[in-house]
Amino acid sequence: GQQLNQSPQSMFIQEGEDVSMNCTSSSIFNTWLWYKQDPGEGPVLLIALYKAGELTSNGRLTAQFGITRKDSFLNISASIPSDVGIYFCAGLVNFGNEKLTFGTGTRLTIIP
Amino acid sequence: GAGVSQSPSNKVTEKGKDVELRCDPISGHTALYWYRQSLGQGLEFLIYFQGNSAPDKSGLPSDRFSAERTGGSVSTLTIQRTQQEDSAVYLCASSSTGGEKTQYFGPGTRLLVL
Repeated sequence: GQQLNQSPQSMFIQEGEDVSMNCTSSSIFNTWLWYKQDPGEGPVLLIALYKAGELTSNGRLTAQFGITRKDSFLNISASIPSDVGIYFCAGLVNFGNEKLTFGTGTRLTIIP
Repeated sequence: GAGVSQSPSNKVTEKGKDVELRCDPISGHTALYWYRQSLGQGLEFLIYFQGNSAPDKSGLPSDRFSAERTGGSVSTLTIQRTQQEDSAVYLCASSSTGGEKTQYFGPGTRLLVL
């Protein structure tokens, strides 16, 4: 099935560093979502974006909905150990109980 | 319960056997989704139920896969004549129709076909 292009695939950072990851698509999405998945768990929603150009924050997380509606970015500031996990972007054509198209994931590891 | 629950949490089966995976959505959620996550990959949509409407089966990879949702609540995903490439984590999500439509995911069922 279709997947969004997400980069980087993995990141190794030190605690306290900032993190940036992005997601691109060849087609337009009207809603962008960012999820985090811990080992053995299902994805948990971090941030939802509903409007092109929108910039939304959730604590140390900031995400942007690209103006072209074909991309989105997630930034994590001052990383902490519990940020470790896999981050997925997901797109929806219409925010109305439709199937999500997921990115390939970014695995974040914090080096002690 | 408070969240989406799935059972079993792990399933090991032999190639050629049938398996049934169960999902209990959040109470009151009318929409239910099944996704598959292969090792190191993102989630792949399988099937979507919305109320009494016909399900969207467009993501099912073959006719060996089927799903039911009884009484608008619990759903069962069935894989017949399992193959090794069916090994994956099968995730269920549910959402409401009014107000916030966020999809909430269960912990998944890890299927290993030997």
